Amino acid sequence: GAGVSQTPSNKVTEKGKYVELRCDPISGHTALYWYRQSLGQGPEFLIYFQGTGAADDSGLPNDRFFAVRPEGSVSTLKIQRTERGDSAVYLCASSIALHTEAFFGQGTRLTVV
Amino acid sequence: EDQVTQSPEALRLQEGESSSLNCSYTVSGLRGLFWYRQDPGKGPEFLFTLYSAGEEKEKERLKATLTKKESFLHITAPKPEDSATYLCAVLGAQKLVFGQGTRLTINP
Repeated sequence: GAGVSQTPSNKVTEKGKYVELRCDPISGHTALYWYRQSLGQGPEFLIYFQGTGAADDSGLPNDRFFAVRPEGSVSTLKIQRTERGDSAVYLCASSIALHTEAFFGQGTRLTVV
Repeated sequence: EDQVTQSPEALRLQEGESSSLNCSYTVSGLRGLFWYRQDPGKGPEFLFTLYSAGEEKEKERLKATLTKKESFLHITAPKPEDSATYLCAVLGAQKLVFGQGTRLTINP
């Protein structure tokens, strides 16, 4: 596709459930980033990948959060035992090389009830 | 720790009224400063990258400038379609750190 694609666009889940958020980067982009954005705030860094490996996962808030990119393209952000505080928009971005301009998807709005 | 502060938090202008948005930053070894535009319900849209003090970039009614401590996004004769949140981000040693954004509203 032409841009970064994120699915689903909206996800409502119950507290304690497991969720997976998917990101399809721009074809040929080797770097992939996950951010979280709360209302009225700027995006907050979670993790980035160069190829298949997580180059920096220091932004993941705790061990309930995990992300993979097994083939160096599509990435999945996984959240276990969701809490109401996890409610936010989860943004994915990709760039042609690490730390060049990143292009964002439209985000997945996660609501934990 | 890398930090970015944007001001003002919100700005309301009349169509045609030029102004500037500020992005102040502290970073260990700036590798790039990025400006993005974000519309409600959408992901950020890339506008500019600036790499060194004194650099300027322009796109339509927008011009971004960079000093060693801050960046400005100048908007000249804005139109209602320029209404959006403008985000600034800095890249230091590791990751891109964003400010909280400036919410710009242009009234017709």
